[in-house]
Amino acid sequence: QSALTQPASVSGSPGQSITISCTGASSDVGGYNYVSWYQQHPGKAPKLMIYDVTNRPSGVSNRFSGSKSGNTASLTISGLQAEDEADYYCCSYTSSTAYVFGTGTKVTAL
Amino acid sequence: QVQLVQSGAEVKKPGASVKVSCKASGYTFTTYNVHWVRQAPGQRLEWMGWISVGNGNTKYSQKFQGRLTITGDTSATTAYMELSSLIFEDTAVYYCARGAITAHYDYWGQGTLVTVSS
Repeated sequence: QSALTQPASVSGSPGQSITISCTGASSDVGGYNYVSWYQQHPGKAPKLMIYDVTNRPSGVSNRFSGSKSGNTASLTISGLQAEDEADYYCCSYTSSTAYVFGTGTKVTAL
Repeated sequence: QVQLVQSGAEVKKPGASVKVSCKASGYTFTTYNVHWVRQAPGQRLEWMGWISVGNGNTKYSQKFQGRLTITGDTSATTAYMELSSLIFEDTAVYYCARGAITAHYDYWGQGTLVTVSS
């Protein structure tokens, strides 16, 4: 199972909105509404930010939102803040009852 | 509160095996799957496999078939990940994570660094 494709880096000015894409196939992203997103700060465990494509766990800022179109899912961060600087990974359930993560995106607030 | 607490760092020689534990608390252990995910230095997250601790069913990534064994001890509310025939490229932080009902990980362990070195 190949990794889902994400841009290596995305940057924006504080207050701006940025979007991270996550491209897979019909056997994973496109076939199921089971895409989740994780934020990881250096040396820390990942943190769940979005699940089931669009749902936000309690305690996660509403500046984070998710969507999906075809085989590509997206994470949007609105009103970018310095604390949002981290690595972000998407993850999808697959047709072989396995899971696959994305290649990861480094977000920088300029 | 839900917690997953993993065992400490390990240093192993090539060809050896490593077993990492993940002690769960704060929820009904048999209700959720436990997944294992690893991250090599500077690399992406990589899914390894999961166990349905209620019935012991497992599913492994094809990449680790034959080398990976995930088990669970319901009396100790602990899951285990054992990786055999270690190679240098197995050096990574290994995480356990609770698999929620709709295929996502809502709680993670703190990670265990496994270093393979001669």
